[in-house]
Amino acid sequence: GAGVSQSPSNKVTEKGKDVELRCDPISGHTALYWYRQSLGQGLEFLIYFQGNSAPDKSGLPSDRFSAERTGGSVSTLTIQRTQQEDSAVYLCASSLRVLGELFFGEGSRLTVL
Amino acid sequence: KNEVEQSPQNLTAQEGEFITINCSYSVGISALHWLQQHPGGGIVSLFMLSSGKKKHGRLIATINIQEKHSSLHITASHPRDSAVYICAVNTGGFKTIFGAGTRLFVKA
Repeated sequence: GAGVSQSPSNKVTEKGKDVELRCDPISGHTALYWYRQSLGQGLEFLIYFQGNSAPDKSGLPSDRFSAERTGGSVSTLTIQRTQQEDSAVYLCASSLRVLGELFFGEGSRLTVL
Repeated sequence: KNEVEQSPQNLTAQEGEFITINCSYSVGISALHWLQQHPGGGIVSLFMLSSGKKKHGRLIATINIQEKHSSLHITASHPRDSAVYICAVNTGGFKTIFGAGTRLFVKA
């Protein structure tokens, strides 16, 4: 596609449920990043993929968070047993190569009730 | 102390003024990004720097690797420049660390 696509754009879920957030990067972009922006807070790094591998998972807040990327393209961020503190906008960005210009998606706004 | 510090936190300018936003970092980096986020809007990359200076239209970004400092300049500011400007660095392991952002308001 023309840009980074994220879905869903909005997700409301109940505490304890699992959620999946999807990121479709720009075609050909090898690097993919997930970030989180909580209400009134700055941006927080979650995980980085180079191709299908994630050399740096240090930003994932807990073991309830996981991410995968298949075929060097689409990535899924999964949050298990959601908590209210997980409520945030989850942003995906991709770049053509490592250390390239970042292209951001519009984000997925997650609300945990 | 945050690893990426921006100043000022908030900035109000009159249309036409020259604006400077500063970013200092305390970690080793492989690249530095300047990002723009409009209220309720998405994030757009303005610059990616690893050395020197870049210019795009009315925007100029500089970086001094030895001093671990970068600046974003806006010449002839306009109300449409009103946004949050974010400095972000890629560390050697490609983790991204973000500054808290500078909220700019340009009055007509």
